[in-house]
Amino acid sequence: DTGVSQDPRHKITKRGQNVTFRCDPISEHNRLYWYRQTLGQGPEFLTYFQNEAQLEKSRLLSDRFSAERPKGSFSTLEIQRTEQGDSAMYLCASSFVDNEQFFGPGTRLTVL
Amino acid sequence: GENVEQHPSTLSVQEGDSAVIKCTYSDSASNYFPWYKQELGKGPQLIIDIRSNVGEKKDQRIAVTLNKTAKHFSLHITETQPEDSAVYFCAASLGNEKLTFGTGTRLTIIP
Repeated sequence: DTGVSQDPRHKITKRGQNVTFRCDPISEHNRLYWYRQTLGQGPEFLTYFQNEAQLEKSRLLSDRFSAERPKGSFSTLEIQRTEQGDSAMYLCASSFVDNEQFFGPGTRLTVL
Repeated sequence: GENVEQHPSTLSVQEGDSAVIKCTYSDSASNYFPWYKQELGKGPQLIIDIRSNVGEKKDQRIAVTLNKTAKHFSLHITETQPEDSAVYFCAASLGNEKLTFGTGTRLTIIP
């Protein structure tokens, strides 16, 4: 499968715990995006990278959230001290510069 | 920032009929408008997109139209089939960077 992959697909955690998600983009795509989607809503932009540089962060990305893309390949999104409001689907997408974004299957986070 | 509104939120059509979903955007600088289809438990799948230098684009049963003056764009699906049932999202962006999505349309095709 040469599409965008995300791991894990599902994560259940208790409030206050830290979680980390991984995204592997389509090979050679230089842009990688993170979005968050809550039930019944469209995806909301969180942040994106071009190669290893993080170019933009949404105000939705509080200081409990951090994303990295070491070496410009896979990316991780970490949420510290999770809250119930963090429960959502976290989507990753990748693209060539100025081209279509292709999404992965998402990681569904449930915070109890 | 950009704001995208999408209508209707739900749409039911008889199999074989056409479906139309409409979106409006607020930022006149936006120049890229993709449409995504999302099935239950899956990530959004790009089905068609249009850039601001064209007014219409067609791909088999799917077409998108763009009115830059009015700042709205529409998705047209003809000869609908049961597998077209899904949630459809429009989006807008400047330079295909961050996408701003609409709130989605749940399309149901009635056999």
